[in-house]
Amino acid sequence: DAMVIQNPRYQVTQFGKPVTLSCSQTLNHNVMYWYQQKSSQAPKLLFHYYDKDFNNEADTPDNFQSRRPNTSFCFLDIRSPGLGDAAMYLCATSRAGSNQPQHFGDGTRLSIL
Amino acid sequence: AQRVTQPEKLLSVFKGAPVELKCNYSYSGSPELFWYVQYSRQRLQLLLRHISRESIKGFTADLNKGETSFHLKKPFAQEEDSAMYYCALISRAGNMLTFGGGTRLMVKP
Repeated sequence: DAMVIQNPRYQVTQFGKPVTLSCSQTLNHNVMYWYQQKSSQAPKLLFHYYDKDFNNEADTPDNFQSRRPNTSFCFLDIRSPGLGDAAMYLCATSRAGSNQPQHFGDGTRLSIL
Repeated sequence: AQRVTQPEKLLSVFKGAPVELKCNYSYSGSPELFWYVQYSRQRLQLLLRHISRESIKGFTADLNKGETSFHLKKPFAQEEDSAMYYCALISRAGNMLTFGGGTRLMVKP
């Protein structure tokens, strides 16, 4: 009964070929997040949606975009993946409020050929 | 700027020994602090948060504002505690988590 579902678990793409990762939730949470986690590093926030409002972190490359067509779904688009974009991408959700914990998906491991 | 520091990348203890995973933070205000855990091949999940003052799986963490610390403790480590542990801070102004670098805990039999 996973509540934050990420598909696929593993994604392989070619250098420069656009790729989309998806996340869905059954928790009806307002806020959805995308994190990038490289090997042996902490998750790094890329951006988040508060309802329909998109909030980009200052150091997130322009190559990374996101869409949230409805409450349940959120997508991460990488327009031209480079070798340095190989990582685990984590989706998380939470209710609004600073003391609300985030619920994470299993992640999608992205490999770049 | 808010920052979370976990000074130990790896902590190795024997089963039954006490364990303390250190976390220090810098934040100009009253933060909300969390510990997240990631077991092998599992998703990142919340272990505990300071506001709840609870004990989860035998772990406790006390917020020490004077020392700006939120160390995670367990009196008797178990092998199943082996995992990656992340300390995280969230500002009262928003939802954004800032993670520490993580500490890998290995509990040896």
